[in-house]
Amino acid sequence: AIRMTQSPSSLSASTGDRVTITCRASQGISSYLAWYQQKPGKAPKLLIYAASTLQSGVPSRFSGSGSGTDFTLTISCLQSEDFATYYCQQYYSYPPTFGQGTKVEIK
Amino acid sequence: EVQLVESGGGLVQPGGSLRLSCAASGFTFSSYEMNWVRQAPGKGLEWVSYISSSGSTIYYADSVKGRFTISRDNAKNSLYLQMNSLRAEDTAVYYCARGSKSSSWYWDYWGQGTLVTVSS
Repeated sequence: AIRMTQSPSSLSASTGDRVTITCRASQGISSYLAWYQQKPGKAPKLLIYAASTLQSGVPSRFSGSGSGTDFTLTISCLQSEDFATYYCQQYYSYPPTFGQGTKVEIK
Repeated sequence: EVQLVESGGGLVQPGGSLRLSCAASGFTFSSYEMNWVRQAPGKGLEWVSYISSSGSTIYYADSVKGRFTISRDNAKNSLYLQMNSLRAEDTAVYYCARGSKSSSWYWDYWGQGTLVTVSS
């Protein structure tokens, strides 16, 4: 199975900050990457698919980039509602696999 | 509005069985592939099982193969997961998730989850 590694595992940031989360695949996955946001006690929410395509209804401050093995999720201006855990997920090959998550906390 | 509502979770002893259900509404259920994804307490996400829109194609994670059975009833807009020979490591919140139209393998809507606890 393809291993997905996110960094950092957690970060502290302030409202208004620019935040970048990295996801690395153990082998090339083209652009078959999705990003999810999960708040405590809630289901994951799809943010981005195909590495850089914003899901309908997701604010434009979220963006994704990358292809092959290295990907990033950027939040351009962190809002209070963005404090959550973020997961990347590859769907290039079976089985689909997730990164371990990055928790974005309030500084 | 798309809604997925899971039910059937609870406390079960090791070796026991449980059947989860997911009731779908707000979309044409029979047109979408569906999945189960789980999350152990305080841990990350793990894909569990997939079923095609017709039910003819099914996949399982190695961790549950031979113990879990996914099924669906398109007439009832419902997805199921029969879990047998449960182990402590199956303890998790189980989510049903809808495959997107562009790919079966990422998920655009998720239910709220149902907690399965395997313990004596």
